[in-house]
Amino acid sequence: DQQVKQNSPSLSVQEGRISILNCDYTNSMFDYFLWYKKYPAEGPTFLISISSIKDKNEDGRFTVFLNKSAKHLSLHIVPSQPGDSAVYFCAASHNFNKFYFGSGTKLNVKP
Amino acid sequence: EAGVTQSPTHLIKTRGQQVTLRCSPISGHTSVYWYQQALGLGLQFLLWYDEGEERNRGNFPPRFSGRQFPNYSSELNVNALELEDSALYLCASSLVVVWEPQHFGDGTRLSIL
Repeated sequence: DQQVKQNSPSLSVQEGRISILNCDYTNSMFDYFLWYKKYPAEGPTFLISISSIKDKNEDGRFTVFLNKSAKHLSLHIVPSQPGDSAVYFCAASHNFNKFYFGSGTKLNVKP
Repeated sequence: EAGVTQSPTHLIKTRGQQVTLRCSPISGHTSVYWYQQALGLGLQFLLWYDEGEERNRGNFPPRFSGRQFPNYSSELNVNALELEDSALYLCASSLVVVWEPQHFGDGTRLSIL
């Protein structure tokens, strides 16, 4: 049951520009959403999260937007840097009972 | 602070064998989660342990099992290995506190020949 979907397997962006990674979900009961970054041969690293009571959360260059009516989540990275090149996973949970992950988007930031 | 540690890092097995993967959570974390990431796929939730008890499991057959020890470390056991079990197995730990994220280890790469 693919409750969290990342429909873009890859994204290429020029250094200094904005990267926008998208995520859609189907379960309206999800109340906690997270983004993780994963480099090759390493485990995912937590980036930023948002609860369903908010529609935006910002942490430095990273901003997560939540559109509950559209069941859509996005991660904005501004400005993008070559070190941001990695696979990004979105995840969602209801009451921390079980976490569902998307299939990932591979971001390539070109110098 | 030491992160989540997993062992071994790589493992090669043959069909029908059994395997045990190990995970040590971050100190103070009581919850341990196991995920499977097969090639080209996202993370699939396997198991969640908290305070020594299995709290939830994903859509995997019973030959995937595990346990959590009093020190909160955990083992994942897979019996009767099949070719499709080849994957990266990731362990994560967290505090069971509202809005706390999971922190992941670097995984065990399991290859079935």
